[in-house]
Amino acid sequence: DAGVTQSPTHLIKTRGQQVTLRCSPKSGHDTVSWYQQALGQGPQFIFQYYEEEERQRGNFPDRFSGHQFPNYSSELNVNALLLGDSALYLCASSLGSGLGYNEQFFGPGTRLTVL
Amino acid sequence: DQQVKQNSPSLSVQEGRISILNCDYTNSMFDYFLWYKKYPAEGPTFLISISSIKDKNEDGRFTVFLNKSAKHLSLHIVPSQPGDSAVYFCAASAADYNQGGKLIFGQGTELSVKP
Repeated sequence: DAGVTQSPTHLIKTRGQQVTLRCSPKSGHDTVSWYQQALGQGPQFIFQYYEEEERQRGNFPDRFSGHQFPNYSSELNVNALLLGDSALYLCASSLGSGLGYNEQFFGPGTRLTVL
Repeated sequence: DQQVKQNSPSLSVQEGRISILNCDYTNSMFDYFLWYKKYPAEGPTFLISISSIKDKNEDGRFTVFLNKSAKHLSLHIVPSQPGDSAVYFCAASAADYNQGGKLIFGQGTELSVKP
């Protein structure tokens, strides 16, 4: 049973460019959450997708957008990249029920470097 | 506004001794707390959790204590082993639908267990 997978593992971009990161959830999971982890910090919640819609959003600008596909996989898009967007981007999947807490399983992350 | 805080960035412990990692939170809406463990180049791995209706949860060598009045939780590892060396993140979640599923992480504590 494959866990959460993310691609690519590493990415280097320049300021102003756009990037797309991908995530496949753990088998049987229907909810995907994205987190940004800057160096020396804990992961920060970006947004969560459930039933192909953004259900919750953290304190991130509109440059960060996402999508969930019918097979529950998800993409994170970041436009007009800034140096401060350099971070590890983590995807987590869970079984969404709407209420309470359902354990989130994390992927290995995509390391984004913006030059 | 840092709602979950881990004030010790690092902790060094001798093998076989107890490791105590601490976490404080400010949001009284949090009702579920988790500890994650993270090795370099891997995503966070769930370790242990506790609901706000309990004050202790134990799983093998790992015990989490919750003091709601002080808004404080701690993770005890007994006995500590070199393989426990990793970064430990405290995280919190709220059951309210509007916030459900979103994890708020602390900054992490790097534990080093020396042989």
